[in-house]
Amino acid sequence: AQKITQTQPGMFVQEKEAVTLDCTYDTSDQSYGLFWYKQPSSGEMIFLIYQGSYDEQNATEGRYSLNFQKARKSANLVISASQLGDSAMYFCAMWVNTNAGKSTFGDGTTLTVKP
Amino acid sequence: NAGVTQTPKFQVLKTGQSMTLQCAQDMNHEYMSWYRQDPGMGLRLIHYSVGAGITDQGEVPNGYNVSRSTTEDFPLRLLSAAPSQTSVYFCASSLGGLNTGELFFGEGSRLTVL
Repeated sequence: AQKITQTQPGMFVQEKEAVTLDCTYDTSDQSYGLFWYKQPSSGEMIFLIYQGSYDEQNATEGRYSLNFQKARKSANLVISASQLGDSAMYFCAMWVNTNAGKSTFGDGTTLTVKP
Repeated sequence: NAGVTQTPKFQVLKTGQSMTLQCAQDMNHEYMSWYRQDPGMGLRLIHYSVGAGITDQGEVPNGYNVSRSTTEDFPLRLLSAAPSQTSVYFCASSLGGLNTGELFFGEGSRLTVL
């Protein structure tokens, strides 16, 4: 079974600074995918970024990048130049290819951006 | 651009009542799933489906039923509501296979069981 661990219940960052949200995962599968979602206070789930286990380059999407360290089983989200609108809950999640319909989510990190 | 549509958005039930949360997607996605999110917590998988006619249990299936008669629809049935089922429910869909990367979510359904 796969497992996602997010060890930071809450994080603070100053506006315009970069912040890293930690995510470690556990699986014995070789083929899997990792992704991050943002959930603002309004409640919707917003897809941010995806990394496949065989992707050699770290995924980037605008101000978001995924620092993928396969040997350490970590998939940290880096947000550059934080904005007030980045204040939200952030979830790390994964699926494994042998059971791709079954995505597993971490407990989330609440990010607060200070002006 | 409908995407994933969930209804109702809000519902209040009494203990013991039954109800169905509807979920429909218009993206021809093979994979669909239901999650629940309790306050301050992550999403826990209730049931999922990898195609029409195929469903399986997730992490917290007790008290819920699903069926997938068409690719588009994946309703979640609460058989006899309990206060412990008070939660926000999300339906999600994805392409499946190596394209499973992005889950497309509905807006969520907030259920209160008294």
